[in-house]
Amino acid sequence: KNEVEQSPQNLTAQEGEFITINCSYSVGISALHWLQQHPGGGIVSLFMLSSGKKKHGRLIATINIQEKHSSLHITASHPRDSAVYICAVRSSVYSGGGADGLTFGKGTHLIIQP
Amino acid sequence: EADIYQTPRYLVIGTGKKITLECSQTMGHDKMYWYQQDPGMELHLIHYSYGVNSTEKGDLSSESTVSRIRTEHFPLTLESARPSHTSQYLCASSDETPTSYNEQFFGPGTRLTVL
Repeated sequence: KNEVEQSPQNLTAQEGEFITINCSYSVGISALHWLQQHPGGGIVSLFMLSSGKKKHGRLIATINIQEKHSSLHITASHPRDSAVYICAVRSSVYSGGGADGLTFGKGTHLIIQP
Repeated sequence: EADIYQTPRYLVIGTGKKITLECSQTMGHDKMYWYQQDPGMELHLIHYSYGVNSTEKGDLSSESTVSRIRTEHFPLTLESARPSHTSQYLCASSDETPTSYNEQFFGPGTRLTVL
């Protein structure tokens, strides 16, 4: 069973700070997702990656397949970045059948104070 | 922007009632999913579908049932709601195929409270 661990669980920072959220997983994966969940509950997909690094605006996601680790960075953080950030992985054993959804971490609750 | 919709967004209902949570997507995706998320906890897959007339149970056992009569529509039904069903239910879809894995798009969720 694939385990997904995120750290920290909770993070409070000041506006403008550089933020790092970490994700570790236990088995081989075909893809890793970073998702953002706002208080209303809806989820937005930020990144899907299987190697290297991706950047979108102030957000950067990196993954190290050998170390089974990914990080999400937020530069110049802003109060509107306050949300729960969720790491989710897709096992590399894809048979086209069976329960092949994502395995999710518990999320990192981020609060950016003005 | 993802075009996947869920209704209702919030539902408070009494024990024993039958409820249906609606999920629709306009992206023509074949693969659709239902996830359950208890407060402060991670999401768990409860149902998924590869396409019309295909439904499968997910990793987490659920008393709910689903149907897929049309590509764009994937409703979830609870025949007799109980307080243990209180949770948030999220629907998602993707254009994943047997040879290509793509990202999932999530709906806004339905927050269900059973009294």
